[in-house]
Amino acid sequence: EAEVAQSPRYKITEKSQAVAFWCDPISGHATLYWYRQILGQGPELLVQFQDESVVDDSQLPKDRFSAERLKGVDSTLKIQPAELGDSAMYLCASSSDSQETQYFGPGTRLLVL
Amino acid sequence: AQTVTQSQPEMSVQEAETVTLSCTYDTSESDYYLFWYKQPPSRQMILVIRQEAYKQQNATENRFSVNFQKAAKSFSLKISDSQLGDAAMYFCAYRSLITGANSKLTFGKGITLSVRP
Repeated sequence: EAEVAQSPRYKITEKSQAVAFWCDPISGHATLYWYRQILGQGPELLVQFQDESVVDDSQLPKDRFSAERLKGVDSTLKIQPAELGDSAMYLCASSSDSQETQYFGPGTRLLVL
Repeated sequence: AQTVTQSQPEMSVQEAETVTLSCTYDTSESDYYLFWYKQPPSRQMILVIRQEAYKQQNATENRFSVNFQKAAKSFSLKISDSQLGDAAMYFCAYRSLITGANSKLTFGKGITLSVRP
């Protein structure tokens, strides 16, 4: 069964460093989402892509976060510089189109020291 | 803006028994989806069940069923014949169906379910 792939699974970094997370959606899925899940909370959307275009990045802290999906397939989420408050699980999800079920990857757990 | 509330942070159930997880939501929209997702420890989130707001019939998936009360904005999940593998964090989520709106999921804070052998 096809799955959403994410790497790395775990990342420890020091504050002010740059970090990057990668997501490979299920083949053929046009819609890709990045969510952030703080410990003990539900995930919150950071950015949504439809193919290579950003649909919603209203909750993305654009002074330090950036996201791209250049060829409309895999995607990278970057944080520069990382802050202590960025420690969280970063989840990627994809769906065949915006109205269909979202399938989640295993997530990248980030710890900023 | 839509909100989803899960007021019970933790619940416990005996294996083979039935448990109900509660969820309420707030929206001014009439067309939407509601979901229950399961997140096992250190594993990815998976969809348990989905309910379309325009359907009066409650959704069912094997041992999982929902009680959808649209007027009360309530959406509870019933797990029958609980199994050890049901132990996980469960999230209630909302998604708008308005044309042009983004399709993000709005999640509650989740509830941790433990299953006693």
